[in-house]
Amino acid sequence: SQKIEQNSEALNIQEGKTATLTCNYTNYSPAYLQWYRQDPGRGPVFLLLIRENEKEKRKERLKVTFDTTLKQSLFHITASQPADSATYLCALARGGNTPLVFGKGTRLSVIA
Amino acid sequence: DARVTQTPRHKVTEMGQEVTMRCQPILGHNTVFWYRQTMMQGLELLAYFRNRAPLDDSGMPKDRFSAEMPDATLATLKIQPSEPRDSAVYFCASGLGPVPNTEAFFGQGTRLTVV
Repeated sequence: SQKIEQNSEALNIQEGKTATLTCNYTNYSPAYLQWYRQDPGRGPVFLLLIRENEKEKRKERLKVTFDTTLKQSLFHITASQPADSATYLCALARGGNTPLVFGKGTRLSVIA
Repeated sequence: DARVTQTPRHKVTEMGQEVTMRCQPILGHNTVFWYRQTMMQGLELLAYFRNRAPLDDSGMPKDRFSAEMPDATLATLKIQPSEPRDSAVYFCASGLGPVPNTEAFFGQGTRLTVV
C-alpha cells in the first residue's frame, strides 16, 4: 500500500541554522507535492507546491526539492527563526482529480 | 479576508448521539475536502467534493458517516451514531479548481470529543 514518511516526529535546531525536513514515499507516483505548516490548534497553511517535472522551488527562506527517482522531497528553511517552530506536513497527489494525501508531519523547534 | 469557516469549534457529545459539523468554503471555491486528524493517524481524508459532487469518500466509514454539500456555500459531515473512537479534530478545506495544482485552504477545525 502507498506510504508517506516524514523523516522524524521532531527536529530541534538552533536559530540561524538551516532546517531540512524529509518526505519519502513508497508505492506512489505523485504528480504534485505540497508542503504545509500547522501551528497548535490551527488548520494547516499552504507553503509551497512542486510538480513532478520541477526539481526545485523557492519562496523567500523556503526551498523544496522533488526527486522522483529517489521518491523524496526535501524542505529547507534557511536562517531559521524561533517563529518557524511548527509542524510541517507534506502532501502528495497523483493527478488533477485526486485528493491530497498527507504525511504525519515533523515538529520543528527552533531554539534561540 | 477570505477564509473557510467551520462550526462548531468544539463539540462534546455522548456516545450514540448524532453529530453534525458544518463548513462554509471560501466563496467561489469548487473543491471541498473533509479530513480527520488524530495523533496516531495524522490527517486522514474522509471525503472530497468537486462542484458539489462527491469524487472520493473511500476513507469514510459509510455505516455511520455521511458527507453532503446541500449548496455551494455549505458542506456538512454527520456521524450517527457517534463512538468514542470518533474523537478527533475534523478539518474542512476548500480550493479553486483541481487542488493538487493549487493550494488548499483549511478551516480552524472542529474538535470532537465523544464520551
